[in-house]
Amino acid sequence: IAGITQAPTSQILAAGRRMTLRCTQDMRHNAMYWYRQDLGLGLRLIHYSNTAGTTGKGEVPDGYSVSRANTDDFPLTLASAVPSQTSVYFCASSDGQGDTDTQYFGPGTRLTVL
Amino acid sequence: GQNIDQPTEMTATEGAIVQINCTYQTSGFNGLFWYQQHAGEAPTFLSYNVLDGLEEKGRFSSFLSRSKGYSYLLLKELQMKDSASYLCAVRDGDYKLSFGAGTTVTVRA
Repeated sequence: IAGITQAPTSQILAAGRRMTLRCTQDMRHNAMYWYRQDLGLGLRLIHYSNTAGTTGKGEVPDGYSVSRANTDDFPLTLASAVPSQTSVYFCASSDGQGDTDTQYFGPGTRLTVL
Repeated sequence: GQNIDQPTEMTATEGAIVQINCTYQTSGFNGLFWYQQHAGEAPTFLSYNVLDGLEEKGRFSSFLSRSKGYSYLLLKELQMKDSASYLCAVRDGDYKLSFGAGTTVTVRA
């Protein structure tokens, strides 16, 4: 069982370029999330999706967009990358049900915008 | 907004006990999670508390006091592999997780 996969593992990107970070889960989880992790700030929610076909904005959505065409995939797009988007990006998923509803995280994508 | 505070760093000796405190002020409360994150890796789930009291899982225990907005993670019989960051996260009234900045625990031989 792969769980959650993310691609690429790392990327160096020129400012102004468009970039899509991929996330795929095979657990048939309803909910998926994108976070960024910066030193001293912890994980911050960018966008989320409670179920296929729906998305919502998190704490830091500006400059990012997402789509959820099916249950398994939840890509994150940076339309025009800026240096402040240099970060480690984690995708997560949960089944969206029950009290515990634990989130499980992918391995992350380390993005550097120059 | 959400406010979740935990110490930045802690150091302890192998075999000892360490307690990581977390205080929070959030809009609504629907549970508190602790995650472990080794350097360069993804966070992994450790524990969940939604009612007051202590939850024990092997060498790790987590405590919650909702009235005080307080939790702690207790790590017993520390091992070198326990060197990692420990993240406190609160699920708010909208069922979204807000994370603290994390506590880096270093275990010395």
